[in-house]
Amino acid sequence: SAVISQKPSRDICQRGTSLTIQCQVDSQVTMMFWYRQQPGQSLTLIATANQGSEATYESGFVIDKFPISRPNLTFSTLTVSNMSPEDSSIYLCSVVLESTDTQYFGPGTRLTVL
Amino acid sequence: GENVEQHPSTLSVQEGDSAVIKCTYSDSASNYFPWYKQELGKRPQLIIDIRSNVGEKKDQRIAVTLNKTAKHFSLHITETQPEDSAVYFCTTNAGGTSYGKLTFGQGTILTVHP
Repeated sequence: SAVISQKPSRDICQRGTSLTIQCQVDSQVTMMFWYRQQPGQSLTLIATANQGSEATYESGFVIDKFPISRPNLTFSTLTVSNMSPEDSSIYLCSVVLESTDTQYFGPGTRLTVL
Repeated sequence: GENVEQHPSTLSVQEGDSAVIKCTYSDSASNYFPWYKQELGKRPQLIIDIRSNVGEKKDQRIAVTLNKTAKHFSLHITETQPEDSAVYFCTTNAGGTSYGKLTFGQGTILTVHP
C-alpha cells in the first residue's frame, strides 16, 4: 500500500470563503482522484486530477467551484470555492498505485461551512 | 452514466452468521469490481476486488462473486465478528477504461451482534 496524507484533516469555514485541501502520497501513482462524501451518504467522484493539465470533471461539478491542480505525480490540491453550507462534506483524495493497479483513499478532510 | 444499486441498505446478523450484500450495475463495459469497508470516522478501505476475467475470488472469510451476464456481483462474509461492523460499498469502473474512476453503490450498514 502507500501512505496518503491530506491537509487539513478538518476545518470550519465561513460562507463565501474558499478552502484548499492538499493530498500527498509517498509512492508512485498512475492516477489521482477527488471524491466527496456528504453526511451519511456514499462517495461521489468529483474529478480526475491530471498531472500538468486541467482536471477532468464529472457531471455536476465545475472547475470554477472546484479548481484542482496536480503539479507532479504525487501531489494534488482541491479548492472548494465560494463555499455554502451545502458544501459541508468529507472530501477524499484517492490514488491508483502503479505497483498494484488498485485504488486507495486518503484520510479525508471534514469540512463544515457555517 | 454508470448506475450501481446495492442491497440491503442495512443488515443485522448474529456473530458467527454469514452476511451477503448484493449489487447490480448498468454498464456492460465495467470490468473491475472492488469492495470497500468504511468504519465510522475513517477512510474507505479496500477489502477485496475482482476483475471480469474471473467469476469468484476468496480471501479468508470474505468472498466475492461476479455474474457479468446478469450484471451483478455479491460480497459474502462468513463467520462474522463484531469487528466486521461497518459500512460496505460496492463499486465498479464506469466504461471499463480505468481501474480508478469508480462509481459507488449506496452502501450497506452491517451490524454484527455479539
